[in-house]
Amino acid sequence: GENVEQHPSTLSVQEGDSAVIKCTYSDSASNYFPWYKQELGKGPQLIIDIRSNVGEKKDQRIAVTLNKTAKHFSLHITETQPEDSAVYFCAAPKSGTASKLTFGTGTRLQVTL
Amino acid sequence: GAGVSQSPSNKVTEKGKDVELRCDPISGHTALYWYRQSLGQGLEFLIYFQGNSAPDKSGLPSDRFSAERTGGSVSTLTIQRTQQEDSAVYLCASSLVSSADSYEQYFGPGTRLTVT
Repeated sequence: GENVEQHPSTLSVQEGDSAVIKCTYSDSASNYFPWYKQELGKGPQLIIDIRSNVGEKKDQRIAVTLNKTAKHFSLHITETQPEDSAVYFCAAPKSGTASKLTFGTGTRLQVTL
Repeated sequence: GAGVSQSPSNKVTEKGKDVELRCDPISGHTALYWYRQSLGQGLEFLIYFQGNSAPDKSGLPSDRFSAERTGGSVSTLTIQRTQQEDSAVYLCASSLVSSADSYEQYFGPGTRLTVT
């Protein structure tokens, strides 16, 4: 099965700075990598995802990069704002099917004023 | 439109009691998932339902845990003879798994279970 590792577990940045969260996966056949954001008291919500046929995807201040050779992918948030403060989870397909996911252990991002 | 709903939002129970947690997925979503999230931890997969296929129960931690999905819609997660280590937030998600490769999972707000 898939093994996903996520770093760092906590990250504190000043408003306006960039934040980077990294994940590694073990199954070379994995082809779908989503990122979820979980705000306090709520369920996780998909913010961006990438498939293995591209190396980078952007959506406004959020970007995800994928290195299939090294089996790692990263979330980049630029110009951070206080509302970016949340827990972020990466995920990869569980046992080869993207309909089931293995999640990382999460990164608590704190954006300070 | 309505998202995934879960009830109750909070449940406090005594050790040894049985509990039932309910999930109402988004209408039309064929896939339904249950996860467990312990304090400060990631999402632990429990069980997966897809259409009329047999559920994937590979994540259930013990035979005290069971789940069913009636009529392809509402799901109930049952924990029998609860233990203190069962205390966690139980999250439900649904997904429209189709030939268009829609993998996004929509999560409910969770049920916080506390076993005293």
